[in-house]
Amino acid sequence: DADVTQTPRNRITKTGKRIMLECSQTKGHDRMYWYRQDPGLGLRLIYYSFDVKDINKGEISDGYSVSRQAQAKFSLSLESAIPNQTALYFCATSGPSGSNNEQFFGPGTRLTVL
Amino acid sequence: GESVGLHLPTLSVQEGDNSIINCAYSNSASDYFIWYKQESGKGPQFIIDIRSNMDKRQGQRVTVLLNKTVKHLSLQIAATQPGDSAVYFCAEKGAGGTSYGKLTFGQGTILTVHP
Repeated sequence: DADVTQTPRNRITKTGKRIMLECSQTKGHDRMYWYRQDPGLGLRLIYYSFDVKDINKGEISDGYSVSRQAQAKFSLSLESAIPNQTALYFCATSGPSGSNNEQFFGPGTRLTVL
Repeated sequence: GESVGLHLPTLSVQEGDNSIINCAYSNSASDYFIWYKQESGKGPQFIIDIRSNMDKRQGQRVTVLLNKTVKHLSLQIAATQPGDSAVYFCAEKGAGGTSYGKLTFGQGTILTVHP
């Protein structure tokens, strides 16, 4: 079974709709991240959480919100989707920063906003 | 090497050749530099990292070189195989302040290995 799972894997929605992307992990990691990937722009950090009570904005948080429901779950919401939020979204997890630089990524969610 | 823009740098090699993928980074205060591989339809996967106080680190078939003077990072893949075909990203990890523990990714380089 995959250690980091994302649902849905693909979603097509319309402008103005509210969308939630979900991420679950079985790695027991405290740290979780949401990134978006656009062609030619690499991965950009949207939000991150270093533990259940910690939520931080990343590089491009405008238009997004997150919820850390439990250690294993971190969801990303688009309150009112717009076409330029069409992208590939990745969730990732990691252990404590001092001991482990590896982030484990989920398979991604392809979101299209019409 | 990687640079800001909409078109990813590409590298095409023959199977068995050595590959060198380059990356220019921006933050001198980063404490680690990391390489990720992303195969088509998958999330990025960690390859190797190097601490900022080192200039070379070797793994299995891969070597990362760090030149802090010119803020340059490279990934060398020995005896490249078709399974190495992917997009390769460099990333820098923030050492402190608001960047602490966060990764900033480069644009990516497409590596294509021809049999």
